[in-house]
Amino acid sequence: EIVLTQSPATLSLSPGDRATLSCGASQSISSSYLAWFQLKPGLAPRLLIYDASNRATGIPDRFSGSGSGTDFTLTISRLEPEDFAVYYCQQYQDSPRTFGQGTKLEIK
Amino acid sequence: EVQLVESGGGLVQPGGSLRLSCKASGFTFSKYAMSWARQAPGKGLEWVSSISGSSDITYYADSVKGRFTISRDNSKNIVYMQMNSLGAEETAVYYCSKRSTTRGGIDDYWGQGTLVTVSS
Repeated sequence: EIVLTQSPATLSLSPGDRATLSCGASQSISSSYLAWFQLKPGLAPRLLIYDASNRATGIPDRFSGSGSGTDFTLTISRLEPEDFAVYYCQQYQDSPRTFGQGTKLEIK
Repeated sequence: EVQLVESGGGLVQPGGSLRLSCKASGFTFSKYAMSWARQAPGKGLEWVSSISGSSDITYYADSVKGRFTISRDNSKNIVYMQMNSLGAEETAVYYCSKRSTTRGGIDDYWGQGTLVTVSS
């Protein structure tokens, strides 16, 4: 199965900062079937980015995804208070669909 | 508006069984595949199972194959997960999700989850 490794595990930033989250794959995701989700306690996981770079419905344009092959990035251009959460990447090219271990974005 | 509401979680003893339900609304349920995933305390997300819109195709993670059964009732807009022989390591929040019909089939909408605790 494809193993996804996210870095850093924790990112401490302030509102207004730029956040860069990375997701590395153990083998090429040649289809670019790579997504990013936001998780907050007690809430439904929220799809942010699909197909590596497409924003999901209703997602603000401060969220952007990029990358190909084995290296992918989620960028949040200017952090808002509501953006502090845990972020997961997921590949859906191969079965089983796998997730990274998550990056916790916390307020500095 | 797409809504997914899970229910059926609770405390169950090791080796026991539980059936989860996920009630869907806001879309034509029978046209979409549905999935279950879980998140154990302090751990990441894990995909568990998926079912096609017509129930003719089902998929399971190796960790649950033979013990979990996914099914759906398109007349009631509900997807189920029957879980048997539960172990303590399966304590988790279980989420259902709707699979999109885009080329890759991303799970685009998720419920808030239901907590399953396996403990004596």
